[in-house]
Amino acid sequence: QKEVEQNSGPLSVPEGAIASLNCTYSDRVSQSFFWYRQYSGKSPELIMSIYSNGDKEDGRFTAQLNKASQYVSLLIRDSQPSDSATYLCAAQLAGSYQLTFGKGTKLSVIP
Amino acid sequence: ETGVTQTPRHLVMGMTNKKSLKCEQHLGHNAMYWYKQSAKKPLELMFVYNFKEQTENNSVPSRFSPECPNSSHLFLHLHTLQPEDSALYLCASSPGLSGGGVAQETQYFGPGTRLLVL
Repeated sequence: QKEVEQNSGPLSVPEGAIASLNCTYSDRVSQSFFWYRQYSGKSPELIMSIYSNGDKEDGRFTAQLNKASQYVSLLIRDSQPSDSATYLCAAQLAGSYQLTFGKGTKLSVIP
Repeated sequence: ETGVTQTPRHLVMGMTNKKSLKCEQHLGHNAMYWYKQSAKKPLELMFVYNFKEQTENNSVPSRFSPECPNSSHLFLHLHTLQPEDSALYLCASSPGLSGGGVAQETQYFGPGTRLLVL
C-alpha cells in the first residue's frame, strides 16, 4: 500500500519564524513530489514541486527531498498569518498519473 | 474564464436523485482527474483521463460514472448515492502525454463541488 504520512498538527509558529513541514512516503518508486496549500473551504493550490534530491527554493519556500530516507519537507521562511492553511504533501509514482496525498498538516501562524 | 472551473459549486441531493458534476479546463491540458475529499481523510483519486481515454479507475463504486467527451470537459454522473458519499469533489487537470506516457506533471485543481447526500 502506497502511503504518504504527515503530522496532522496543528503546527503553530509565531509570525516571522520558520515553519517546517515534514512528509514521509512508503513507496521507493515514487519519483515526483508536490506540496499543495489548501485554505479552509478552498481547493488545493500548488506551492512547490521537487523531483531531485536536495533543496529547491522559490521565494520564501524551500522544498527538500531525500530519496534515501524517503523524506520530503517544506520550509516557509518569514511566516505570515496568510500562510495559515493546511499543507498537503503528494507523491507520484514513476509511470503513473496517480498522486498519493497525505492527510495534510494544519499550519497556524500567530501574529 | 481561466484555469479549471467546476459547476455546481454546491449540490444537495437525495439518495434516489440523478445529478451530474461538470468540470472544464482552459489550460490546454489533455489529462483530467476526479478526486474525492472527505473530512479527516486524504484526497482520494477516483478517475483519470488522458487524451479522453480513461487510464485509472480506483475501485470507485458504479454509482459514480465519469464521462470525458473531449480534453477540455469532464463530467461525473451521480445516481443512487449514499450519505457517506457527501464530500468535496475536486476536478484537476495536467498537460498529459500522447502515446500513453507519463511525465512529471503538476496537477491544477478546480474550486470543487461540495456535495451533500441526504
